[in-house]
Amino acid sequence: SQQGEEDPQALSIQEGENATMNCSYKTSINNLQWYRQNSGRGLVHLILIRSNEREKHSGRLRVTLDTSKKSSSLLITASRAADTASYFCATGLGAGTALIFGKGTTLSVSS
Amino acid sequence: GAVVSQHPSRVICKSGTSVKIECRSLDFQATTMFWYRQFPKQSLMLMATSNEGSKATYEQGVEKDKFLINHASLTLSTLTVTSAHPEDSSFYICSSPGGLDTQYFGPGTRLTVL
Repeated sequence: SQQGEEDPQALSIQEGENATMNCSYKTSINNLQWYRQNSGRGLVHLILIRSNEREKHSGRLRVTLDTSKKSSSLLITASRAADTASYFCATGLGAGTALIFGKGTTLSVSS
Repeated sequence: GAVVSQHPSRVICKSGTSVKIECRSLDFQATTMFWYRQFPKQSLMLMATSNEGSKATYEQGVEKDKFLINHASLTLSTLTVTSAHPEDSSFYICSSPGGLDTQYFGPGTRLTVL
């Protein structure tokens, strides 16, 4: 089963602009993770935020988590053409458990 | 970080044949392995969980007799798609949990059934 929705489904921006993707989930979680997937390729782990955290940064990435609203957002600042990919949020219930993925956002960054 | 490999990376087979996909943990012991399926332009869906030395647990709607999972050692889990049909064409990805809520994903196997 899938955890929830991602919004928007598709996003097209120009290089240098910021991209924001949102993820909603349905159940209680231990952590939420964001992954990137280039077309036809495997997953690249971007960032993990735990349920007791509200915001986390990694380079040009900023992730927020609102457990009261069961939602998270991923912000990519100063986007580059190389950021073009599909982005998925995935929720985990704790160590050793499978991840449940959202439906994903397809980001297209044009130069 | 820990590495998980999958073999083959791509496979094309005829309808009705069986295909085996291997997932190996290269530098750690994988007690548990998760198998996901991703149809084109869709997200990853958990198919089953395999634990070394025991029977796999399948998600609702996944046919256990069609998708045979074997996890005979701490470094190898296999998924066999039996009597494959075109609707089984998909991207199959395995992952193993690491410490601190991490997951080590394999690079995936693209299955095309003609």
